[in-house]
Amino acid sequence: DAGVTQSPTHLIKTRGQQVTLRCSPKSGHDTVSWYQQALGQGPQFIFQYYEEEERQRGNFPDRFSGHQFPNYSSELNVNALLLGDSALYLCASRQYNEQFFGPGTRLTVL
Amino acid sequence: DAKTTQPTSMDCAEGRAANLPCNHSTISGNEYVYWYRQIHSQGPQYIIHGLKNNETNEMASLIITEDRKSSTLILPHATLRDTAVYYCIAPVNPLSEGAQKLVFGQGTRLTINP
Repeated sequence: DAGVTQSPTHLIKTRGQQVTLRCSPKSGHDTVSWYQQALGQGPQFIFQYYEEEERQRGNFPDRFSGHQFPNYSSELNVNALLLGDSALYLCASRQYNEQFFGPGTRLTVL
Repeated sequence: DAKTTQPTSMDCAEGRAANLPCNHSTISGNEYVYWYRQIHSQGPQYIIHGLKNNETNEMASLIITEDRKSSTLILPHATLRDTAVYYCIAPVNPLSEGAQKLVFGQGTRLTINP
């Protein structure tokens, strides 16, 4: 049984560009959350998707948006990239009271 | 989510038990205690969670004080691969609607020494 998978592993973009990150949840999990982890910091909650709708959102600007598909997979989109968006982006899927994290996508904005 | 306080760093000798404390003095009745760890540049790994009873699984034991204001994660026989940042988190009952986000602090950097 595959765990949470994310793609791509690494990504380099320039300021002002747009990026899309992808996540496939653990089999049987229907809820997907996204987190941003800056270097040396703990992960920060961005938002959570359930039944294809954003159910909860952290303190992130509207440049951060997402989507969940009928197969529960999810995308994170970031528009108008800033240097400060450089971070490890983590996806977590949840069933009942356990959340499992993927390996993350390392985004570097130049 | 209840605020949690952990020591910034700890050291432990290989083969010994590693005891990681966490203070959550403002925890309320429906807030669980979760522990995750993160090995450098990897995604956080779930370890264990509990509400008020002590819990044990194949990775660790969780001891929660009777007043629930603090807890201790115990790695019974630490190995070099247990070197990681350990996060103690107290989210609201994850079974309730709209309450599943995890609020991470700085965690405890545990170093296992040979």
